[in-house]
Amino acid sequence: AQSVTQPDIHITVSEGASLELRCNYSYGATPYLFWYVQSPGQGLQLLLKYFSGDTLVQGIKGFEAEFKRSQSSFNLRKPSVHWSDAAEYFCAVGAPGNTGKLIFGQGTTLQVKP
Amino acid sequence: DVKVTQSSRYLVKRTGEKVFLECVQDMDHENMFWYRQDPGLGLRLIYFSYDVKMKEKGDIPEGYSVSREKKERFSLILESASTNQTSMYLCASSLFRGLYTFGSGTRLTVV
Repeated sequence: AQSVTQPDIHITVSEGASLELRCNYSYGATPYLFWYVQSPGQGLQLLLKYFSGDTLVQGIKGFEAEFKRSQSSFNLRKPSVHWSDAAEYFCAVGAPGNTGKLIFGQGTTLQVKP
Repeated sequence: DVKVTQSSRYLVKRTGEKVFLECVQDMDHENMFWYRQDPGLGLRLIYFSYDVKMKEKGDIPEGYSVSREKKERFSLILESASTNQTSMYLCASSLFRGLYTFGSGTRLTVV
C-alpha cells in the first residue's frame, strides 16, 4: 500500500539558517509528489509539486524539493529560513488511478528561533 | 482564485447528535474531498467525490456519510457523533490530480 513518512515530527531552526524537511514514500510506480504548508489557524496551501521531468522543483516562498527515485525521497529545502516560515509542513503522494486522492504524511512542525 | 468555504470554523456538539459539515467551492471542480486532521496522524481521507451524486470511501469512513447533490457542495455527515470524532475537518476541491484547494477547516468538539 502507498504510504508517506515524515520522520521528523518537530524541527527547530534559527532564523537565517538552512532547512531540510525529510519525506519518504512507498509507491509502486512513478509518483506524483507534493508539499503543502499549513500556517497556524489556516487551511493547507500548495508549496510545490513533482509530476515528471526535472527532479529539482521550485515552489513558492523560496522552497525547493528534490525527487530521488533511488531513495524514495522528496525532501523539502530552503536556504535561509524566515520567521514567517513557522508552520506545519505535509508531504503527500498521489494515489494510483485517476481519482486525484492524496496520501499525506504525518506532518512536520517547524519552529523558527529568532 | 478558487475558494473553498467551510460553513463553520468551530462547532461543539453533543454525543449522539447528527452533525452536518458543509463545504462549498466556487470553481466548478469535479473532485471534492473530506479529510480529518489529528496531531501526529496527519490528514486521513474520509470520503471523496468525483462527480455529483458519486462518492467513494476513503481510509476512515466509519461513522461518516457524505452527500453531493450539487457540484459545488459536498457535505460530511456524522450520523451519531461520538467523542472520538473530535477533530479538525478539512474539505478540499481539485480540478487536476493532487492540486488541492483547501478550506480553512472546521474544528469539531463532541462532548
